Amino acid sequence: SQQGEEDPQALSIQEGENATMNCSYKTSINNLQWYRQNSGRGLVHLILIRSNEREKHSGRLRVTLDTSKKSSSLLITASRAADTASYFCATAGQGAQKLVFGQGTRLTINP
Amino acid sequence: DVKVTQSSRYLVKRTGEKVFLECVQDMDHENMFWYRQDPGLGLRLIYFSYDVKMKEKGDIPEGYSVSREKKERFSLILESASTNQTSMYLCASRNPGLGDNQPQHFGDGTRLSIL
Repeated sequence: SQQGEEDPQALSIQEGENATMNCSYKTSINNLQWYRQNSGRGLVHLILIRSNEREKHSGRLRVTLDTSKKSSSLLITASRAADTASYFCATAGQGAQKLVFGQGTRLTINP
Repeated sequence: DVKVTQSSRYLVKRTGEKVFLECVQDMDHENMFWYRQDPGLGLRLIYFSYDVKMKEKGDIPEGYSVSREKKERFSLILESASTNQTSMYLCASRNPGLGDNQPQHFGDGTRLSIL
């Protein structure tokens, strides 16, 4: 079952600009995770935010979580061509062993 | 770094064949997962395994089975391949022993075509 919905489905920006992707979900969660997928490859874990956290940073990545609105956002600052990829949010419920993925945002960084 | 290795990047099989997709992880993780990824549908969980010889159906198990005889290896089996099983298959592993807030680690995927 698909829980997450991501917005936008596709995003194209110029190198150096910031990119923001949003994720909404339906049920209570233990944590929310963001993954990146380069074309034709597997997913790479970027960042995990727990349900009791509101904001988390990792390098050029900033993730926010609003459990009252059941939504999260991923901000990539100072984008680079190498950031071109699809980005997926995934939620973990109680027990946290299984993930439910959104359909992803396809990000294109134009040089 | 965790390494999850899927035996084939690309595979072409014929309708009705029995197909085996293999996945091996090198970090002694208890949990392993099989997903399929299709355009517009995202990643969908086929089966997962909590530990050796333990398995549980995911969201779309029909037409698939799995085997986990050793901790490091999780096999996905298409009993009688059909064209609607043409897809990208992704394997992942996870270590629950470090607590709930552990990510999954993915292989590079197998792009399977059934003709």
